[in-house]
Amino acid sequence: AQSVAQPEDQVNVAEGNPLTVKCTYSVSGNPYLFWYVQYPNRGLQFLLKYITGDNLVKGSYGFEAEFNKSQTSFHLKKPSALVSDSALYFCAVRDYGGATNKLIFGTGTLLAVQP
Amino acid sequence: DSGVTQTPKHLITATGQRVTLRCSPRSGDLSVYWYQQSLDQGLQFLIQYYNGEERAKGNILERFSAQQFPDLHSELNLSSLELGDSALYFCASSVAMGGGRSSYNEQFFGPGTRLTVL
Repeated sequence: AQSVAQPEDQVNVAEGNPLTVKCTYSVSGNPYLFWYVQYPNRGLQFLLKYITGDNLVKGSYGFEAEFNKSQTSFHLKKPSALVSDSALYFCAVRDYGGATNKLIFGTGTLLAVQP
Repeated sequence: DSGVTQTPKHLITATGQRVTLRCSPRSGDLSVYWYQQSLDQGLQFLIQYYNGEERAKGNILERFSAQQFPDLHSELNLSSLELGDSALYFCASSVAMGGGRSSYNEQFFGPGTRLTVL
């Protein structure tokens, strides 16, 4: 079965410093990987996806993610964190089997950016 | 704004009751997905509809059911509610049904309905 793991419940970073939110995956076959962000009292917003091609994927709000097949990782990164980036971040993988695009989510990582 | 709308935003009800959550997908999207977000279970897929037909089922309880109507809006019905059903219920939509590499489109999520069962 497909799964993703987010090993950190919370990541703390100072404003202006680079940030990394970790995600590892376990899939049979080629993975379709995604990052979503959830701000307080809001729905999930799509950040970026990896389907195929370049291992470095650029997304919304200056975020990017690096797909690493050998390490089965898809870490989310940003060169310079903003206080407004503070939110809950979810890594997800598309499930296989049948005609569906359903997503399997990780447990989420709370990003706290201190001013 | 994702273009996906959900009503109501909040719902407070008692155990044993039945509620209906409504979702309108983005214009042009044929697939609707329902997810449940709770503290103990995290974010879980419940069910998917594509153009009015059920396409995939996840960890959806038998007390829960859903449907997608000809105008493509969807409703999630929760009955015989229990305290543990308190959660945030999200609807998402995408253009395609899924199942092939070329057919994937990301899902866009609505703001959710927060259900509280007392």
